[in-house]
Amino acid sequence: EVQLVESGGGLVQPGRSLRLSCAASGFTFDDYAMHWVRQAPGRGLEWVSSISWNSDSTAYADSVKGRFTISRDNAKSSLYLQMNNLRPEDTAFYYCSKPTRTHVVLAGTFFDYWGQGALVTVSS
Amino acid sequence: DIVMTQSPDSLAVSLGERATINCKSSQSVLFTSRNKTYLAWYQQKPGQPPKLLLSWASTRESGVPERFSGSGSGTDFTLTINSLQAEDLAVYYCQQYYSSPLTFGGGTKVEIK
Repeated sequence: EVQLVESGGGLVQPGRSLRLSCAASGFTFDDYAMHWVRQAPGRGLEWVSSISWNSDSTAYADSVKGRFTISRDNAKSSLYLQMNNLRPEDTAFYYCSKPTRTHVVLAGTFFDYWGQGALVTVSS
Repeated sequence: DIVMTQSPDSLAVSLGERATINCKSSQSVLFTSRNKTYLAWYQQKPGQPPKLLLSWASTRESGVPERFSGSGSGTDFTLTINSLQAEDLAVYYCQQYYSSPLTFGGGTKVEIK
């Protein structure tokens, strides 16, 4: 059974940092690119970042570029999102998401498994 | 970026009736050389992450009831829920995966009348 479990969310002041983790199991983690998608409370879905299966390629939404860094550790089947210089508009549930197809990073990607989400609240 | 626009924002449907949700993309998501439409639909129930319902505009995922169907091509798409059930109360999102960045519609909330 595929499982994605996010951790590391919490309340943080504007300008501070936070690191999210996602522990994956039930599939061959290093066959897949992985993604973060966020959802502000009561709002829609926004793709945030992607990383290729071997970490060679990363991509970011314009709204987080230069502030967020995605990474992975295939030996630990784990995905990470380092979030720096957080802003109130970054307040959201952050979902770790698995694509349906192996090795495809972005175009052609939709998601068959999602974690339960980690809530990040940026407020003073 | 491809902008995805859903309508309506919400709709109330009686049990057993049909719900129709529209999604429009700002440019075609049809990959012509492959004759495939790069559009997915998700269902999100309260307090839960999204669940994939359909891909390629009209292909139901395993386990998704047949009352859910997708149609459309190019830039205009429809998710139809026939014979609405109480468990279909949710917000529905479309997503294009034709190009980066991946983008979602704003969501349509389906309520029971």
